Amino acid sequence: RKEVEQDPGPFNVPEGATVAFNCTYSNSASQSFFWYRQDCRKEPKLLMSVYSSGNEDGRFTAQLNRASQYISLLIRDSKLSDSATYLCVVGSYGGSQGNLIFGKGTKLSVKP
Amino acid sequence: NAGVTQTPKFRILKIGQSMTLQCTQDMNHNYMYWYRQDPGMGLKLIYYSVGAGITDKGEVPNGYNVSRSTTEDFPLRLELAAPSQTSVYFCASSYFPNGGLNQPQHFGDGTRLSIL
Repeated sequence: RKEVEQDPGPFNVPEGATVAFNCTYSNSASQSFFWYRQDCRKEPKLLMSVYSSGNEDGRFTAQLNRASQYISLLIRDSKLSDSATYLCVVGSYGGSQGNLIFGKGTKLSVKP
Repeated sequence: NAGVTQTPKFRILKIGQSMTLQCTQDMNHNYMYWYRQDPGMGLKLIYYSVGAGITDKGEVPNGYNVSRSTTEDFPLRLELAAPSQTSVYFCASSYFPNGGLNQPQHFGDGTRLSIL
């Protein structure tokens, strides 16, 4: 099992749709979780941290399920500008993947 | 706030040449990282550093070297450039306090490197 797994997509949705991404992780001792977005040919940028109780930032909601070892990102009322690749990041404790392990990303395309 | 600064932004090298990609951060982060990202692919960790004087190999260290003489700087060296090293290189930094939780990474703009 890979350490951090995401559905690669692409998710093609119309403007205004609600879309959800899931990410599973293998290390039950992980304590830090983040969602990043990456636009084409740009650097990844932090979208939001994920807290145990779940958290919301405008149209974006992140959830953590420790028992099942997955985190989710919900985007409501999708905008064209939400088109990007969304990266799940899980904190770890070193080794060949460092202390923050990135999933390969889920590509979202929002169409008019 | 400069954050993480990478230079150069673009470079074309000939096979066998060497070069150093520069990375500096002004956030006093203890951790720094180098990733490469090939077109349509995910990030791959090349090397990382947990503090000045300490470096560790990532998933794909072959063909690269790093050093961390100061908290701020983490240069990546390519000794004998090969076409397989054509990629976009991202430097990042983060703060990981002793006994605390991983904090998120901050990325530089990237260096686009072509080896011909």
